[in-house]
Amino acid sequence: GAGVSQSPSNKVTEKGKDVELRCDPISGHTALYWYRQSLGQGLEFLIYFQGNSAPDKSGLPSDRFSAERTGGSVSTLTIQRTQQEDSAVYLCASSLRQHQETQYFGPGTRLLVL
Amino acid sequence: SQKIEQNSEALNIQEGKTATLTCNYTNYSPAYLQWYRQDPGRGPVFLLLIRENEKEKRKERLKVTFDTTLKQSLFHITASQPADSATYLCALESNDYKLSFGAGTTVTVRA
Repeated sequence: GAGVSQSPSNKVTEKGKDVELRCDPISGHTALYWYRQSLGQGLEFLIYFQGNSAPDKSGLPSDRFSAERTGGSVSTLTIQRTQQEDSAVYLCASSLRQHQETQYFGPGTRLLVL
Repeated sequence: SQKIEQNSEALNIQEGKTATLTCNYTNYSPAYLQWYRQDPGRGPVFLLLIRENEKEKRKERLKVTFDTTLKQSLFHITASQPADSATYLCALESNDYKLSFGAGTTVTVRA
């Protein structure tokens, strides 16, 4: 079946602009995660959605970052007033249920803020 | 603070040899530990999970050990092949279900 998909695959933007990154999880997966990966660094947790529960936003680095998950499926990560330090790969993952042990990752969106 | 440390240097090995990667952690009490593979430009792909009550787990040419006393996991790739070249990440789930990842170890297998 189809895996996790993300769009766009690459995004170049100017400092100060807003960007939206999209994630389509695997159908039927109730849990969805966003991570950020900077060059040579490990994955940094950003936000977690589980079913209809309130999302866990504890990893968002600033109030310029927000995310939504509509209808328990597609998720959008929005970064407002982008800064150069926001440049990274943004990865989305989904899993079947909360505490499900295996996460399935999308290919990521490579964001470059000039 | 919680920390996950993997081999800081890249591993270069000859085809056919065994690659051994280390994952050490502090201030975690994981029920299990996972290993993922990440190729350039791709998201991580799950390889193996080992539980705290398991000493060793195997999958084809991969072997993982888990020592909760030493707070360490070893990841072995036996009879390595050039196609095994990638970055390997270890990950631990905290009590609040978040996965915390190490920075990864890059393995290059020379033909």
